[in-house]
Amino acid sequence: AQSVTQLGSHVSVSEGALVLLRCNYSSSVPPYLFWYVQYPNQGLQLLLKYTTGATLVKGINGFEAEFKKSETSFHLTKPSAHMSDAAEYFCAVSEETSYDKVIFGPGTSLSVIP
Amino acid sequence: ETGVTQSPTHLIKTRGQQVTLRCSSQSGHNTVSWYQQALGQGPQFIFQYYREEENGRGNFPPRFSGLQFPNYSSELNVNALELDDSALYLCASRPRITGELFFGEGSRLTVL
Repeated sequence: AQSVTQLGSHVSVSEGALVLLRCNYSSSVPPYLFWYVQYPNQGLQLLLKYTTGATLVKGINGFEAEFKKSETSFHLTKPSAHMSDAAEYFCAVSEETSYDKVIFGPGTSLSVIP
Repeated sequence: ETGVTQSPTHLIKTRGQQVTLRCSSQSGHNTVSWYQQALGQGPQFIFQYYREEENGRGNFPPRFSGLQFPNYSSELNVNALELDDSALYLCASRPRITGELFFGEGSRLTVL
């Protein structure tokens, strides 16, 4: 069965500092991996995804993530945090079939300190 | 703008009542999923529909049911509402090839 863990329910960084949000997954087959962002009172927006190919994935708003199969990880990073990055971030996994369900982690709330 | 719209945006019900939430998926997306997001938690998978048939279900009781229609719209029905059903209900459509979900803004249900 698929599952996702996100280390740290809340992360605070200073404006301009590195953002690192951790995600580990379990999957019995090669996974599709996603990061979504949710701003208050809104739905979820896709930041980036990994399906196949290059393991370093670049997304919107300067975020990127690296798929490491040996570590079953898909950590999200951004070199320099902006105030507008403050939001809830969710890592998600689905298995390599088009119709399988997508399972979400519990989320990490990112605060950016001016 | 994802093209996925949900209604109503907010609603209040009392325990034991029934509720229907509606979703209009993005054109061309033949898979629709529903998620429940309780306050402070990640979205929990309720079920998924493909070509108008349920083809996956999470750990939710049968009083949660759904429908998908040929025009890409869908419904989530919840019977015998309980206080714990209070949550944000998210609809997401999914293109066949790429796999990512496109979410609506959600329907926030409060059960009193």
